[in-house]
Amino acid sequence: DAGVIQSPRHEVTEMGQEVTLRCKPISGHNSLFWYRQTMMRGLELLIYFNNNVPIDDSGMPEDRFSAKMPNASFSTLKIQPSEPRDSAVYFCASRVFGDLFFGEGSRLTVL
Amino acid sequence: KNEVEQSPQNLTAQEGEFITINCSYSVGISALHWLQQHPGGGIVSLFMLSSGKKKHGRLIATINIQEKHSSLHITASHPRDSAVYICAVYISSGSARQLTFGSGTQLTVLP
Repeated sequence: DAGVIQSPRHEVTEMGQEVTLRCKPISGHNSLFWYRQTMMRGLELLIYFNNNVPIDDSGMPEDRFSAKMPNASFSTLKIQPSEPRDSAVYFCASRVFGDLFFGEGSRLTVL
Repeated sequence: KNEVEQSPQNLTAQEGEFITINCSYSVGISALHWLQQHPGGGIVSLFMLSSGKKKHGRLIATINIQEKHSSLHITASHPRDSAVYICAVYISSGSARQLTFGSGTQLTVLP
């Protein structure tokens, strides 16, 4: 298996633009997580899906952030409109039976 | 006070030294992960444990549930072990089995 696949790896955009990050979990994994990592706050959970259903989105910063998982093999994290403080590395991870696998991350820079 | 505390924050060692990184948590947990993040940014789960000890190569992880403490040991350290090591816990209570992260330990192993 190719592991958890995230795209894009790097994104530079201007404030106010819409950003969409994508994640393909490992086949057969039933849980998917979106995390954000910044120098100031470290790693933080944004949202967690189990069997494609959002279970806990309490980490989503505000209404500008939304996440979907339309099927077991694809999830998106959207930021609209983006702001400079959204600049971070966004990680997707998938899990089965406790083993957790991270994607390489999407580095977002909002100018 | 953070729910997960790691020490030390930074650690520099000479190649071959025995290394210990500590993690203390203040809440009830169901399991704990040790993660490794290399300078390139990718995150790998080294161990997940809920009791006792696990060993993988030169890495050993222990957990004491009663004392709310876990340690990660690296024997015969090597420069390629240089990375950030992150402790993360699954909190027992709450609406979701999601990870709460420590702030990480930056390890540098000098040749």
